Parts: sequence; C-alpha cells; structure tokens
Amino acid sequence: AQSVTQPDIHITVSEGASLELRCNYSYGATPYLFWYVQSPGQGLQLLLKYFSGDTLVQGIKGFEAEFKRSQSSFNLRKPSVHWSDAAEYLCAVVKGNMLTFGGGTRLMVKP
Amino acid sequence: EAGVAQSPRYKIIEKRQSVAFWCNPISGHATLYWYQQILGQGPKLLIQFQNNGVVDDSQLPKDRFSAERLKGVDSTLKIQPAKLEDSAVYLCASSLRPPGGLMNEQFFGPGTRLTVL
Repeated sequence: AQSVTQPDIHITVSEGASLELRCNYSYGATPYLFWYVQSPGQGLQLLLKYFSGDTLVQGIKGFEAEFKRSQSSFNLRKPSVHWSDAAEYLCAVVKGNMLTFGGGTRLMVKP
Repeated sequence: EAGVAQSPRYKIIEKRQSVAFWCNPISGHATLYWYQQILGQGPKLLIQFQNNGVVDDSQLPKDRFSAERLKGVDSTLKIQPAKLEDSAVYLCASSLRPPGGLMNEQFFGPGTRLTVL
C-alpha cells in the first residue's frame, strides 16, 4: 500500500510567487514526516521534519510545512520562490523501521 | 564535517556485466542505507545496516544484488549480473540512529548514476 503520495509530478511557478507542494500519507500511528530537496547531481538535503508538537514546522531556505492529521497531509510552503529553488522535492514518512518516499514533485521556476 | 562519500559518480555497463558501488558514511554513524532511485520516482530502500549487521533487506533483489558492510564502516553494493531495469541512481545514506527516533536524520551522498545498455 502506498504510504506517501505526492499528487503533483510537475509544478511551475513564477519567481517571487508563493508555493505549496502537496503530500498525503497513509499511516495509522503518529507519523514522522520529512521533506527533502534534491538538486541535479546532488544528494538529498533535509528541509524540515515533523515528529510531534507544533503542527507548523519551520525549515531551512525559508520553507515551512503544516501537519494536518484530519487531512493526512503535510504540505510544504514557501511565501516567495527564488530561481534557485528549482529542484525535485520529496516527501517521506517513517513507517516501521523504514523511510518511505513519495514519487517527488519537480519544481520549475519561471523568471 | 565530511558528508557521505560515494564512488563512482557515474557508471555505464552492458547488461549481464557486474558492477560495484562504494559508500563511506559520516564518521560515527551506526546506520547505513542503500536506496535505488529510478528516474521519475522517489528513492526505494534496498538494504539497511546497523553497524555491520543487516536490519532490513526485504526489498533487495537477492538473486542479483548483494551488499556488505565489513567492520561497520564502509559499504559496497554489487549487482551481478546487471539488467536494463537496474538503470537508476543508487544513493547511500547514514544516520546516527535507526529511523523512528529524534536523532534519525538521514544524510545522503551524491549518488551513483548507473546506466545499463
């Protein structure tokens, strides 16, 4: 069964516009949730993570994510996108003893 | 602090040949992971080591893939013989602790891009 779903394969936004990348998970217990960014030729870099507590999580590079249990979602947001944010974004959940990734969303930024 | 090192960065082989990838985790990290990332998909865990013991290899195609982590530090992943569908990026990651805990952030290497012709 799919544990993490990222519904949008590609998203294009204009530089300076706001961004929201969707992530839905299916897991009965309280999930440990992550967002990673993957730039071409580079490994994955952790943007932010949620374990418990405050449902609005702040990360690096101006990103934030909000955990909504009622919607089984952990969407990633940024108020103003920069051209350097163009990359692949991966949502992940710890299920059992394993980190399971969604399929990723490729973000393109228009000048 | 040095990150996770992987080599080679790129490899092109023909089907039925063998290939090996090497990973050096961050110093002191007990847990090491190998992931396969096929183009357009998220990474999929192949095998997880805790020190030099295998914790999870349920998604490793054991008829052709093997991995070892001698002495609990460096690790190698081997494919023998390779198939066309093995073309992917192979990522190595390490963490202080296994997943599920507060110290479980995984740090990823740059990956090895394998092309099987």
